[in-house]
Order: sequence, then C-alpha cells, then structure tokens
Amino acid sequence: GAVVSQHPSWVICKSGTSVKIECRSLDFQATTMFWYRQFPKQSLMLMATSNEGSKATYEQGVEKDKFLINHASLTLSTLTVTSAHPEDSSFYICSAAPGHSYEQYFGPGTRLTVT
Amino acid sequence: SQKIEQNSEALNIQEGKTATLTCNYTNYSPAYLQWYRQDPGRGPVFLLLIRENEKEKRKERLKVTFDTTLKQSLFHITASQPADSATYLCALDFSYGNNRLAFGKGNQVVVIP
Repeated sequence: GAVVSQHPSWVICKSGTSVKIECRSLDFQATTMFWYRQFPKQSLMLMATSNEGSKATYEQGVEKDKFLINHASLTLSTLTVTSAHPEDSSFYICSAAPGHSYEQYFGPGTRLTVT
Repeated sequence: SQKIEQNSEALNIQEGKTATLTCNYTNYSPAYLQWYRQDPGRGPVFLLLIRENEKEKRKERLKVTFDTTLKQSLFHITASQPADSATYLCALDFSYGNNRLAFGKGNQVVVIP
C-alpha cells in the first residue's frame, strides 16, 4: 500500500516553455501533498505544500508564479514549471502522507532538463 | 542558521556487521525525526519515524535513537547485507507537527560482500 506515482519520469524542454508534472496517490487519498526539488549531491528541498481544494503554501524563496501547483482532487496534484530556464533543471519529487500519518511516501521523481 | 548534518563520506562496511549513521541538527526543535533510504535516481523510501519523547525505535534490522538534548539521531543497520547499500537520509519536521520536512544530504552506505 501507500504508492505514489509521478508522470513523466523525465522530460526535456526548451527554455521559455512550461512543463507540467503530475503526482498521484494510487491507493489512498491525500488532502496534502508535498513538492520537493533535489539538485545533484544536494539534499531534498521542500518547495511547497499542496492542499486539496485550496491554495498551495510555498516555502521561503520559492516563486509561486513560477511553480504553479494545483491539487484538484484527493489523489492528484500537479506542478507546472512556467517559463522554464536551464537553472530549473533538477529532480522534482512529490510525496504524500496517508490519513493522519507523518510517514511520507514519495513518488519516483521527475528529471527535468531545460535546454 | 538551521543545519542538518550527515557524514559526507561513504561508509564502507563488511557484510554482517552493523552500520551506524549519525544525524546532527542545530536550531531546530522537531516533534519527530525520520529516516529514509534513497537509491540513485529514485524517490526516498520511508524507514522509521521517532518522536521527540521516544529514545529508541526498532524495525526488523533497523534501530534509531533520538537524543533531543544532544540534538542527534543515530541510525543502525544490524547484520548488514549488500542489498542495504544505498544513501540514507535524515529528515526532521521543522514546522512542529505540520509534516514539513527538512532533509540532510544523506550518508551513503556500501556493504561489501
């Protein structure tokens, strides 16, 4: 149980375009999902908390107009990287915690490369 | 400033021995601390959670301790196996119960057959 999927697993896009990444909880409902970013050899950094039916909460230093988050249902959150630039190239990972659990279950990640 | 420190050097250990990893933190007061395993190019996998009022937690061959006075957690893998080779991440809740996690950079473990 507690499986989280992400799509796509990797994507290459041109500078200036937008990319959407989907995060789904497959066997549980998640009112809250989390989006992280990880650069090579660096720690995972929490970008934002995605709340079903309301606005996402962004961490300090994360541009909310650049990283659009939509949590339209209890099993789906999307992250759209708008006007992507090469410095946005990174590994994006989502997570969710079932019910009132603190254990987070992570998706397999999406490797974004902006050329 | 807030920091979570894990040993940057890989831990090479003989199969069957106990691997011990350290996580130190400063300027946090977490309600709980978690350990995750991450394989290259994959998302982290949850292993153990220990709360601030717990000293020790065990799960199969894994053991975690949490000392809020020292601001330190130790993670042990007993009877290590080559399949345990991975990077292990320490994560702590920085929002006191809101499940917003701050992660260390991780400590790589290599189990030698």
